[in-house]
Amino acid sequence: DSGVTQTPKHLITATGQRVTLRCSPRSGDLSVYWYQQSLDQGLQFLIQYYNGEERAKGNILERFSAQQFPDLHSELNLSSLELGDSALYFCASSVAAGRDGYTFGSGTRLTVV
Amino acid sequence: SQQGEEDPQALSIQEGENATMNCSYKTSINNLQWYRQNSGRGLVHLILIRSNEREKHSGRLRVTLDTSKKSSSLLITASRAADTASYFCARNFGNEKLTFGTGTRLTIIP
Repeated sequence: DSGVTQTPKHLITATGQRVTLRCSPRSGDLSVYWYQQSLDQGLQFLIQYYNGEERAKGNILERFSAQQFPDLHSELNLSSLELGDSALYFCASSVAAGRDGYTFGSGTRLTVV
Repeated sequence: SQQGEEDPQALSIQEGENATMNCSYKTSINNLQWYRQNSGRGLVHLILIRSNEREKHSGRLRVTLDTSKKSSSLLITASRAADTASYFCARNFGNEKLTFGTGTRLTIIP
């Protein structure tokens, strides 16, 4: 157990639907990052939050949104899902953004059918 | 792009041999980190090397950084079957996020 909790572990949904992925960071970590990993692809950075505020944005589609709550857990919302959104979605957290290593969760495997 | 390259894409070696993976980048970094990912699992942080460091060790892992060549290497000595995984280098360019490459798939043959 890395200390970063992601739920659900697996999700199968139909095209056009909306899903919410949840992440609880490791205790004490203020930064949360979301990454997408498709088959045979590296990790694509989606978005970062630090202590409740959006800090950086990457290749995140307009259909996707995220937020970090006062208790520091974060949610990634994916809407109008397409087949190409099928991927592993990882959440990671860190204490000092960019200056130390990330702790990753075990990911949510999203399958859009 | 800022990502650069990782090579090789795939590597198969006999158990007990050493494995070397390389990572390059194109613009100045703040630090560079290596991660391991077992199939379909989350990434595990292995080692971080800062731009003013040239070499770091952690157990059977040795990481070098050559800022003049904008490259880094990860050496795993005396490989074991349990080292079979994908290895990613992640570049921090001074902002707060890490930029990952596509990784090297390492297979250790018992």
